[in-house]
Amino acid sequence: EADIYQTPRYLVIGTGKKITLECSQTMGHDKMYWYQQDPGMELHLIHYSYGVNSTEKGDLSSESTVSRIRTEHFPLTLESARPSHTSQYLCASSEWTAPAVSEAFFGQGTRLTVV
Amino acid sequence: RKEVEQDPGPFNVPEGATVAFNCTYSNSASQSFFWYRQDCRKEPKLLMSVYSSGNEDGRFTAQLNRASQYISLLIRDSKLSDSATYLCVVNVPDRGSTLGRLYFGRGTQLTVWP
Repeated sequence: EADIYQTPRYLVIGTGKKITLECSQTMGHDKMYWYQQDPGMELHLIHYSYGVNSTEKGDLSSESTVSRIRTEHFPLTLESARPSHTSQYLCASSEWTAPAVSEAFFGQGTRLTVV
Repeated sequence: RKEVEQDPGPFNVPEGATVAFNCTYSNSASQSFFWYRQDCRKEPKLLMSVYSSGNEDGRFTAQLNRASQYISLLIRDSKLSDSATYLCVVNVPDRGSTLGRLYFGRGTQLTVWP
């Protein structure tokens, strides 16, 4: 089993609230990712990180922000949640062994509903 | 043009059938290739890595064709439990960097019926 954890698993929150989705991994992986996925739809990369103090925007524009202060921790924050943010958010990590990257390990996801 | 292209399906096959999925990638410098499986409302999980020489794991065979830039997954003797979405994943080098990032295809949906 992968050692990558997301909390909370489910979150229902009102419009305008600030939320932080937590993601932690104990594998010492440098690379971490956040994906957004609606039911039955494809994964969209919204943020990724190569390591501490590195954050990059992904392919899908997102109003969320991320930080990487510690290797094991990659939280995602929404300053003001809106119903359009309702989705599943999946965190993943992978190892870097030159010249290639290993497979990504996923957390179980956070299912966010903004009402 | 997308980095990774997959036929979304759906593929509906009877138990015992053999089914093949293909995936193409656009960056010839890609180094790592994987097939993932995602069950409904679950996270993706690694099914198998894909090596240049091709590799087999039980009923599953993965192949890589670098010249044509495609990856395939063959499932023999399909089981009901094989019903899922299969995702093709490619590591693509970032511009100006030796580091890469993973690109996921949109997935191919498979339903195996009794």
